[in-house]
Amino acid sequence: DAGITQSPRHKVTETGTPVTLRCHQTENHRYMYWYRQDPGHGLRLIHYSYGVKDTDKGEVSDGYSVSRSKTEDFLLTLESATSSQTSVYFCAISAGQGNTYSNQPQHFGDGTRLSIL
Amino acid sequence: AQKITQTQPGMFVQEKEAVTLDCTYDTSDPSYGLFWYKQPSSGEMIFLIYQGSYDQQNATEGRYSLNFQKARKSANLVISASQLGDSAMYFCAMREVTSGSRLTFGEGTQLTVNP
Repeated sequence: DAGITQSPRHKVTETGTPVTLRCHQTENHRYMYWYRQDPGHGLRLIHYSYGVKDTDKGEVSDGYSVSRSKTEDFLLTLESATSSQTSVYFCAISAGQGNTYSNQPQHFGDGTRLSIL
Repeated sequence: AQKITQTQPGMFVQEKEAVTLDCTYDTSDPSYGLFWYKQPSSGEMIFLIYQGSYDQQNATEGRYSLNFQKARKSANLVISASQLGDSAMYFCAMREVTSGSRLTFGEGTQLTVNP
């Protein structure tokens, strides 16, 4: 199994509070991703990183920010949580050097179930 | 337009039979890759199989094979000799060269294997 740890695994919080989810990898992979999974939508990309301090937006980035200060850690922050951000959040990693990533699958963490009341 | 379409929200199959899960995609990139993932009820995402757009042969991994029809833009997953443990949600995903390393996922197909 790919060495990916997401924390916390479950969290319940209130609307308007800040929330930070952590993804830690031990594979030294270059690429890291944050997805959310909601019924009827599959997985949708929030943000991703292609190196330390190199990040970019995905298709559902509004209300989220990310940071990657070390290869092994990728943080997802909800600055002011809303009920619409209740979801299951997955971190993923993939290998690759330069642009050689085409056939590299993404490997996923076990997910964080976030409930915002 | 949807980039990945999985038209079967739910599928049922008898144990030991084969089943095909459909996936069609939409891209204008000449270079792309297609991935299938399995998500059991426990929630983890498990990579199953990969097919590259330039691959000459259909991909196979154990009981999983990919029926890749490039002209029809379809990449159907075939599971042979279904087992009870195959009951899960299955997702098709695509990586386009213009999207870098990112994947776009379909909405998934819930497969139930009956004894």
